[in-house]
Amino acid sequence: NAGVTQTPKFQVLKTGQSMTLQCAQDMNHNSMYWYRQDPGMGLRLIYYSASEGTTDKGEVPNGYNVSRLNKREFSLRLESAAPSQTSVYFCASSEVAEEAFFGQGTRLTVV
Amino acid sequence: QKEVEQDPGPLSVPEGAIVSLNCTYSNSAFQYFMWYRQYSRKGPELLMYTYSSGNKEDGRFTAQVDKSSKYISLFIRDSQPSDSATYLCAMSGSSASKIIFGSGTRLSIRP
Repeated sequence: NAGVTQTPKFQVLKTGQSMTLQCAQDMNHNSMYWYRQDPGMGLRLIYYSASEGTTDKGEVPNGYNVSRLNKREFSLRLESAAPSQTSVYFCASSEVAEEAFFGQGTRLTVV
Repeated sequence: QKEVEQDPGPLSVPEGAIVSLNCTYSNSAFQYFMWYRQYSRKGPELLMYTYSSGNKEDGRFTAQVDKSSKYISLFIRDSQPSDSATYLCAMSGSSASKIIFGSGTRLSIRP
């Protein structure tokens, strides 16, 4: 019973490098989300996808791109990482907004 | 101005006390109001949700929504050390739209 799976769990990048954070859910949910969590800032929405084939910007989309590859997978790409993108990234999925399920998070450090 | 405001705390109370956690919001389109609990280094988990205005009770937890004041609350009765966590309020305009979180309140229950 995997739920929402994120890879990798930890990553260190150098400024300017690119990487893709992967997220997959096995609950057949339509909606998927990417959040970042910084101390004192709570969860801030980066991008979300209400259904396969659609994506929309959230509160803090700059510096990120997303791909809803299929119903199960929603990836987040950093094209040119910056120290300001050091954060914990959470992927979530839901069938209805009132119950979202979260992955275990990816701890990203950009040096 | 952020759409959802939440006092980040930290809040420390003795075991057995009644805890009150609160959020205010500015977007009158919000209809779904959720509370998530997040333990250290884990993803958030849904605690309870309320649709529109009113109260909802689940064991020691009570959620209240006052849409006229754009104010929501979570009460924890007979608080336990195991309730020590970060509590995040979250809101959505419809069952299929984006979910916006508050900054979270760190709660500590002293034995």
